[in-house]
Amino acid sequence: GQQVMQIPQYQHVQEGEDFTTYCNSSTTLSNIQWYKQRPGGHPVFLIQLVKSGEVKKQKRLTFQFGEAKKNSSLHITATQTTDVGTYFCAGLSTGGGNKLTFGTGTQLKVEL
Amino acid sequence: KAGVTQTPRYLIKTRGQQVTLSCSPISGHRSVSWYQQTPGQGLQFLFEYFSETQRNKGNFPGRFSGRQFSNSRSEMNVSTLELGDSALYLCASSLLTGSTEAFFGQGTRLTVV
Repeated sequence: GQQVMQIPQYQHVQEGEDFTTYCNSSTTLSNIQWYKQRPGGHPVFLIQLVKSGEVKKQKRLTFQFGEAKKNSSLHITATQTTDVGTYFCAGLSTGGGNKLTFGTGTQLKVEL
Repeated sequence: KAGVTQTPRYLIKTRGQQVTLSCSPISGHRSVSWYQQTPGQGLQFLFEYFSETQRNKGNFPGRFSGRQFSNSRSEMNVSTLELGDSALYLCASSLLTGSTEAFFGQGTRLTVV
C-alpha cells in the first residue's frame, strides 16, 4: 500500500535558525496537505498543494510540491518558539479511494 | 461554527472490555475519518465514512469497527481491548475526503489496563 515517509523524525534548532522537513511518497499523489500538531493538541490544517512544482508561502513557511508529485517539503525561516510541534504531510493517492495517508511526522523543538 | 466534537475525552478500560467512541463532525460535513495515534506509529488510518457508507478501511483487525448515522455523526467501537490499543483516537471531518482540508477533533485518550 501507499507509504509516506518524512525526514527527519526529530529536529532541534535554536530560535532564529531555519528548519526543513521532507515528505516522500511511494506513489504519485493527487494532492498533498500539511498539518501541524502542537504538544497535547490535535492536527491542524496548514495548506494543500495540488499542482506539480507548486510553491506556496504562508509568512515564514514555504511549501513545495515536487515535479513528479511524489515528494514535498516544508521550510520554516527564522524559527520561533511558537513553531514547536509535529509537522505532518498527508497525501491523497491518484489511485482513487480518497484516502489520506499521513506521513510519519517531524517533531520540531525550538530552543531559546 | 462549532468544531469537531469527540466524546469522551478520556477513557480507562480493562483488557477484554469493549469501548465506543463518538464523533460529531462540523455541520454540513459528510466525511468522517478515524485515526489512531501512538508515539511510535504516528497517525494510522482506521476507516472513513461518507454518507453512512464505509469508503475506506485501514489495516486494523476486525475488533475495530465503526458506523455513521444519517446526521453524519460517527462512532467507532473496539471490542476485546488489548493493552496495545492504548492510544489517542482522532476523528476528522471534511466536506469531501482528501480534496479538502480535514478538521480534527480533540481526540479521545484511551488507556487500557
